[in-house]
Amino acid sequence: NAGVTQTPKFQVLKTGQSMTLQCAQDMNHEYMSWYRQDPGMGLRLIHYSVGAGITDQGEVPNGYNVSRSTTEDFPLRLLSAAPSQTSVYFCASSSGLLSEQYFGPGTRLTVT
Amino acid sequence: LAKTTQPISMDSYEGQEVNITCSHNNIATNDYITWYQQFPSQGPRFIIQGYKTKVTNEVASLFIPADRKSSTLSLPRVSLSDTAVYYCLVGDNAGNNRKLIWGLGTSLAVNP
Repeated sequence: NAGVTQTPKFQVLKTGQSMTLQCAQDMNHEYMSWYRQDPGMGLRLIHYSVGAGITDQGEVPNGYNVSRSTTEDFPLRLLSAAPSQTSVYFCASSSGLLSEQYFGPGTRLTVT
Repeated sequence: LAKTTQPISMDSYEGQEVNITCSHNNIATNDYITWYQQFPSQGPRFIIQGYKTKVTNEVASLFIPADRKSSTLSLPRVSLSDTAVYYCLVGDNAGNNRKLIWGLGTSLAVNP
């Protein structure tokens, strides 16, 4: 099993550009989440999904969209990148709401 | 929402036992306490989870007093490879929202 995979590993965007961060898991987990991690801020939940077709907002959803068309994939979209979105983004999956979360390797995003 | 408080940093030496305490005064009845470990440039990795009293696995123990307002992660005989950031996580399911609150983490440095 590959676990949770994320692409790309690194990305530089200009303000106003759009892009999609990809996340996939092969563990048949129902729950998937996107987090951002900033220095001194810990991990903050952006969006999460409790199953295909079901998504909801986390703590910091503004500026991000998600969709969950399949169990395996949970992409995160930035429609118009802003410097405040410079961060490291982690995708995670789990079999239950409070079950062990498996994290991907992260995407380091810089918005100039 | 249950918030957590941990020491920012700790120092130890190889072979010692390390105890990291997390405070979560507003923990709810249904909340579980989970600890994760994170190495630089990697996603967090699950260590242990518990609800009350004591839980032990092959890498750590988790002690939770009766009032559950704090918890202590115990790492027996640490090695240099245990140098990492340790996060205390308290599950908080407010209705249908999943607002898992991550602490800021404790940076553990294990010295030779």
